[in-house]
Amino acid sequence: AQSVTQLDSQVPVFEEAPVELRCNYSSSVSVYLFWYVQYPNQGLQLLLKYLSGSTLVKGINGFEAEFNKSQTSFHLRKPSVHISDTAEYFCAVRGANSGNTPLVFGKGTRLSVIA
Amino acid sequence: DGGITQSPKYLFRKEGQNVTLSCEQNLNHDAMYWYRQDPGQGLRLIYYSQIVNDFQKGDIAEGYSVSREKKESFPLTVTSAQKNPTAFYLCASRGGGLNTGELFFGEGSRLTVL
Repeated sequence: AQSVTQLDSQVPVFEEAPVELRCNYSSSVSVYLFWYVQYPNQGLQLLLKYLSGSTLVKGINGFEAEFNKSQTSFHLRKPSVHISDTAEYFCAVRGANSGNTPLVFGKGTRLSVIA
Repeated sequence: DGGITQSPKYLFRKEGQNVTLSCEQNLNHDAMYWYRQDPGQGLRLIYYSQIVNDFQKGDIAEGYSVSREKKESFPLTVTSAQKNPTAFYLCASRGGGLNTGELFFGEGSRLTVL
């Protein structure tokens, strides 16, 4: 079974500053990793995903994440945030090649961008 | 456009009433999922279905029921046995084949029990 820990429940940051949202996972098998974003009262949208290959993954809206197998981490970064990035961000994991087994989600990190 | 449609978006019910939330997808996906979201708790899996006429319990299935009679539809019933039903409910689907795990989500249904 897999699990995900998002280390910060809330992250306030000033506009145009860099941000890192931290995610650690636990698994005994190879994994696929995902970051989703949720705006208020909406569903989740995929930001980016790591399946295999390059450990640096680029996503939409200028976000990127780095897969670190030795540290079992998949931290999300953006070099300069905008007010519109204010949202909740979820890290998720799934065993690779595990059929249709569900994604396991972290508890979320609420990013607040301050003008 | 292809996607997932959840209805209603907002729903108010009295305690003790059963409620059914609709989820329809036109993505031709085999697998469908229901998650419950509460503040600070992330998404918790209620039920999922990998194929028509088959479904499995998730982590918090007590007080809920589902059916999967058609590939496109996966309705969730919140029964009176669910002790704390007020929450935001999210439906998702996932294709098979080369798709490697990404879920597509609906816009959610917010249920408030008075």
